[in-house]
Amino acid sequence: DADVTQTPRNRITKTGKRIMLECSQTKGHDRMYWYRQDPGLGLRLIYYSFDVKDINKGEISDGYSVSRQAQAKFSLSLESAIPNQTALYFCATSDYGTSYEQYFGPGTRLTVT
Amino acid sequence: DAKTTQPTSMDCAEGRAANLPCNHSTISGNEYVYWYRQIHSQGPQYIIHGLKNNETNEMASLIITEDRKSSTLILPHATLRDTAVYYCIVRVYGGSQGNLIFGKGTKLSVKP
Repeated sequence: DADVTQTPRNRITKTGKRIMLECSQTKGHDRMYWYRQDPGLGLRLIYYSFDVKDINKGEISDGYSVSRQAQAKFSLSLESAIPNQTALYFCATSDYGTSYEQYFGPGTRLTVT
Repeated sequence: DAKTTQPTSMDCAEGRAANLPCNHSTISGNEYVYWYRQIHSQGPQYIIHGLKNNETNEMASLIITEDRKSSTLILPHATLRDTAVYYCIVRVYGGSQGNLIFGKGTKLSVKP
């Protein structure tokens, strides 16, 4: 089984809808991250969490919110989806003290029409 | 954080060594070099990282020049499955900031 899983893997939704992307990990890592990737571009950080009580904004947090329900679960919500949030979304985890050795999930392809 | 420069694309014959260069001329003493790769639309995969000594693991070797201004990732026997975009990233080890900064990377094409 994969160490980092994301659900759903693909989602098409309409403008204005609320949508939640979920991430679970079995690596026992404290730190979790949400990135988005647009075609031909690198990954950009949306939010990150260093433990259950710690949530931090990344470089593109506007229009997104997150919830760290447990050490193993980190959810990303789009409160009111808009077409320019169409992208590939990745969850990642890392261990304490090795933040840049990150392990990524398979991604969620989100299309907002 | 130091900026990195990588070639846009490279080709490699299957079974041969793939040598991917990265320039990071402004790297500071406490910054490590990390390498990741992303196979088409999959999640990026951590490969290796190093400070100044050469490093090797089951996936690759990392050679860092003595002045630390450049490095080379070596895939010793490239296979078709190594076709991917390879990213060289420089970050302070254990830094409090969470994000990896992915540039455009090098698109490696391994050909039969």
